[in-house]
Amino acid sequence: DVQLVQSGAEVKKAGESLEISCKTSGYTFNNYWIAWVRQMPGKGLQWMGIIYPGDSDTRYSPSFQGQVTISADKSSSTAYMLWSSLKASDTGMYFCARQVGDGFNVWGQGTMVTVSS
Amino acid sequence: SYELTQPPSVSVSPGRTASITCSGEKLGNKYASWYQQKPGQSPVLVVFQDTKRPSGIPERFSGSNSGNTATLTISGTQPMDEADYFCQAWDSGTVVFGGGTRLTVL
Repeated sequence: DVQLVQSGAEVKKAGESLEISCKTSGYTFNNYWIAWVRQMPGKGLQWMGIIYPGDSDTRYSPSFQGQVTISADKSSSTAYMLWSSLKASDTGMYFCARQVGDGFNVWGQGTMVTVSS
Repeated sequence: SYELTQPPSVSVSPGRTASITCSGEKLGNKYASWYQQKPGQSPVLVVFQDTKRPSGIPERFSGSNSGNTATLTISGTQPMDEADYFCQAWDSGTVVFGGGTRLTVL
């Protein structure tokens, strides 16, 4: 079955870098877009960006362009999201999700990122 | 930028029909998807391409989309349906989520 397994919770300080991962299995990684979605505590879903592992085509939400870098490693069927310098406002739960059609039908379990100032 | 608007909360009695709306300019010209999220869990896709249900989603979940409004309808609502619901659509190559609706079954 299709699975997206995300890396564990992180506690960081403002200014530090961080990379979180989304390891996929059960399907052909190259053939499906993978999105990253943020959910701040008690709030709604915010789409951050998306990557097509087959050719690394990457799109970002204007709100997150320049704030994070999304990448994918075909050899390990894993997608990544990188912050080069975290802010306290980056605190939140981050989900990866596989796109099918116009929706996202499989989601990771989420990675909680806590950034202290 | 494109916006999708949902009511913050909807209440329904068990066994009755719940309707959750999602409004956006010419939303009917796009595909709408709906997600259910229970506390501490990841979102689950319950409707895609306006009206389709993924495998495993009960038949009581249905969707429609016309004009400026997409609607998620839950027929015979059960206590287990109490959750947050988010609509989603694509606009100009980006994904937009609605703000979410908390469905209370009481």
